[in-house]
Amino acid sequence: DAMVIQNPRYQVTQFGKPVTLSCSQTLNHNVMYWYQQKSSQAPKLLFHYYDKDFNNEADTPDNFQSRRPNTSFCFLDIRSPGLGDAAMYLCATNQGLGADEKLFFGSGTQLSVL
Amino acid sequence: GNSVTQMEGPVTLSEEAFLTINCTYTATGYPSLFWYVQYPGEGLQLLLKATKADDKGSNKGFEATYRKETTSFHLEKGSVQVSDSAVYFCALSGGTSGSRLTFGEGTQLTVNP
Repeated sequence: DAMVIQNPRYQVTQFGKPVTLSCSQTLNHNVMYWYQQKSSQAPKLLFHYYDKDFNNEADTPDNFQSRRPNTSFCFLDIRSPGLGDAAMYLCATNQGLGADEKLFFGSGTQLSVL
Repeated sequence: GNSVTQMEGPVTLSEEAFLTINCTYTATGYPSLFWYVQYPGEGLQLLLKATKADDKGSNKGFEATYRKETTSFHLEKGSVQVSDSAVYFCALSGGTSGSRLTFGEGTQLTVNP
């Protein structure tokens, strides 16, 4: 059974139209991450939550926001998507912040911007 | 800051061939090193890891040894199968980035029957 679930699998939005991607987990992990993966590139960390503590990466655009209403759910909000935001968005979790802990990834949401 | 460099792909092999995917890193301190695999249509999943120098991670016939002297973590498999076709990502955490993973750009592997 999937432990990190991302919905929808494919999302199409229009230029400038706000869009929300969702992630849920059944692992009860403390940490949740959002990565952006463009075609043939490395996944790039946007931000992460440790419990309710939000940690933004320095180069994450202001256009990207996140919410974590409870342990199980985390949302990625793109306020005004541009063509350059078309990418695969990956959610991941782990139990703690130890450097040797593995991440559990969802299957991703492929976002298209028209 | 931390960085990971992988050999350029894509890599195409015949079944039962020997596989090497090179990975080198730059980090301060003593990072942990990982290989993640992404099968078509799926998320990334951990393949193997090593947390200190000279450790060897292994799983499903794949191996990688943490070489601090050469700052490398090359992935090897003695005999690949068609089912190994996927994208392989080298990654590190620790040092200045704490638990956050820094990924290489990925190497697409295709294994033909």
